[in-house]
Amino acid sequence: QLVLTQSPSASASLGASVKLTCTLSSGHSSYDIAWHQQKPEKGPRYLMRLNGEGTHTKGDGIPDRFSGSSSGAERYLTISSLQSEDEADYYCQTWGTGIVVFGGGTKLTVL
Amino acid sequence: EVLLVQSGAEVKKPGESLRISCKGSGYSFTNYWISWVRQTPGKGLEWMGRIDPSDSYTSYSPSFRGHVTFSADTSISTTYLQLSSLKASDSGIYYCARAGGNGSPFDYWGQGTQVTVSS
Repeated sequence: QLVLTQSPSASASLGASVKLTCTLSSGHSSYDIAWHQQKPEKGPRYLMRLNGEGTHTKGDGIPDRFSGSSSGAERYLTISSLQSEDEADYYCQTWGTGIVVFGGGTKLTVL
Repeated sequence: EVLLVQSGAEVKKPGESLRISCKGSGYSFTNYWISWVRQTPGKGLEWMGRIDPSDSYTSYSPSFRGHVTFSADTSISTTYLQLSSLKASDSGIYYCARAGGNGSPFDYWGQGTQVTVSS
């Protein structure tokens, strides 16, 4: 079964870096994922597509502070030089034939 | 600029039906699939299914099949989500999202439509 697992929460200080993790279920470690950001009372915003080699393709207007990397079944989103506006929920998404799956999301708090 | 603009918030009673619209602009409407996603506090983001506006081919998540219907009107670059026999558990925020076809992520999202089902 295709499942994405995310930690419910993360925190980091203003100006620091943070690395969020999305883990693909067993047997699906080669899948591409996408990262999305959702701020309160807003629709999600596409950040990037990320493959198993760590190659990422960012969405329109996404700052260089956002980057992606991969290791095995884990897909990472790194945000550097954290700003207060980065405080949001971050979701990963993957897809297969006739199916789309989301992780449970990570709530990022900027201290 | 690519935009997906959804219709406004709805308040419905149990048993009623509902139709939400999603109008695309700033891109070739028939070149991208539109998916519908529900967000609730308890279940997070749930994919409901998708429609290919070029031929109105639909694919529904088993969790929603039989309860929802997708349609498209290419003349006005709009897709629709219809929900029938509403229950309180259908309350949530509904999003449309664009994808470039099979094997593509959602690269643009609508602003969301809040649906409240209450007697």
